[in-house]
Amino acid sequence: ELKVEQNPLFLSMQEGKNYTIYCNYSTTSDRLYWYRQDPGKSLESLFVLLSNGAVKQEGRLMASLDTKARLSTLHITAAVHDLSATYFCAVQETSGSRLTFGEGTQLTVNP
Amino acid sequence: DVKVTQSSRYLVKRTGEKVFLECVQDMDHENMFWYRQDPGLGLRLIYFSYDVKMKEKGDIPEGYSVSREKKERFSLILESASTNQTSMYLCASSLWTADYEQYFGPGTRLTVT
Repeated sequence: ELKVEQNPLFLSMQEGKNYTIYCNYSTTSDRLYWYRQDPGKSLESLFVLLSNGAVKQEGRLMASLDTKARLSTLHITAAVHDLSATYFCAVQETSGSRLTFGEGTQLTVNP
Repeated sequence: DVKVTQSSRYLVKRTGEKVFLECVQDMDHENMFWYRQDPGLGLRLIYFSYDVKMKEKGDIPEGYSVSREKKERFSLILESASTNQTSMYLCASSLWTADYEQYFGPGTRLTVT
């Protein structure tokens, strides 16, 4: 059974600081997804990582995938308040189209 | 842009009622999914479908059923609603090929009283 763990689950940081969210998963997969969810809203796709060593960047967020270590990171550079949200990683199972989601990391960026 | 719509944003039902949640996608996606989201429990998969009239149980199918009569529409049915089914319900869809990225609808917040 595929398990996906994120840490930290709660992150409070100051504007301008850098930080990294980690996503570990338990079985072989080379497809990993990052989503953002604002309070009371649905999930919005951020990044799709489809191979070992994949790196994607959008604004102050950068995601990477190491399939050998079964680890993805979401790095936040010079955080701003607008990044406050819950971030989920999701891993595709080796067969089929199901995704298994991590518990989510609730990020709060304080002025 | 992919668009996934859900029939209601907020719904209040009584215990024992039969409840239908509808999801429609407009991008000809083969796969459709129903999740529920609860604080501290993340997203949990209830059912999914990879083709018309095909369905697969997810991790928490008890108390739910689904229907997919047309490719674009996937319905979640609560046969006899109970208070422990109060939750946020999210529908998603994805292509069978390519990157399997799931696109989510806006969600339905269901309260069962």
